[in-house]
Amino acid sequence: DAGVTQSPTHLIKTRGQHVTLRCSPISGHKSVSWYQQVLGQGPQFIFQYYEKEERGRGNFPDRFSARQFPNYSSELNVNALLLGDSALYLCASSFTTGTPISGTEAFFGQGTRLTVV
Amino acid sequence: AQTVTQSQPEMSVQEAETVTLSCTYDTSESDYYLFWYKQPPSRQMILVIRQEAYKQQNATENRFSVNFQKAAKSFSLKISDSQLGDAAMYFCAYRAIQGAQKLVFGQGTRLTINP
Repeated sequence: DAGVTQSPTHLIKTRGQHVTLRCSPISGHKSVSWYQQVLGQGPQFIFQYYEKEERGRGNFPDRFSARQFPNYSSELNVNALLLGDSALYLCASSFTTGTPISGTEAFFGQGTRLTVV
Repeated sequence: AQTVTQSQPEMSVQEAETVTLSCTYDTSESDYYLFWYKQPPSRQMILVIRQEAYKQQNATENRFSVNFQKAAKSFSLKISDSQLGDAAMYFCAYRAIQGAQKLVFGQGTRLTINP
C-alpha cells in the first residue's frame, strides 16, 4: 500500500514568490495535517483538515493557507515567501480525528524541502 | 499552551547496549496522548511507540519501551539491544484529546549507534 506521498520533494524559490505543496494521504485516510520543520528543530503544526474542513491552525501568518479536496488530498500554499520559510514541510494523514487513539495516529510523508533564496 | 522538552540534544550508545532518551512535557490536561517518533536521514517521521495518559501501564513495542511518570510529566524512551538501524533523530510528541489533531514536538535527540 502506498504511504503518504508529497510533491515535489525539493523546491527552490525566490523571495516574494508563491509556492504550492501537495500531499496525498494514505488511501482511506480523511485527515491531513501540515507541519513545518526548520533545520535542527522539531516540527511545528500549521494546519489540520478533516473531511475538507479546517479543524485547526497553528501560529503562522495569513500568508500560509491550505485546502483539502474531495479525494482528501491537500495543498499547502505560501504567498510572499521569506527566507525564513525555508524548511522541510511535512504532511501527515490519519484515518479519523479525535478519539480513541486507534485510527488517529499520524503517518507522515517524506516531506518537501523548500529553499527560499 | 502545551510544551515538550527534550534535554539531550545528542546521545550515543554501543551496538547491543541499552539507551534511554528523556522527555518532559507541560500540560494542564488530565488526559492526552504521548508519542515517540523516529526521523532517519530519509526525513520520514516514523511512529515508534504511543501512550495514552489514562493507562498506567507503560507501553512496549518489541525493543522499545517507555517509562511514563504522569505526576512528574515525564515520558522517557528505552531502546534495548540497540541496532545500527536505530540511528536517527528521535522526537517526543504530545497530543491533546480535544480540539485539533495537533502534535506538539520536542526539539529532538540525535541518537548515534557505535559499532
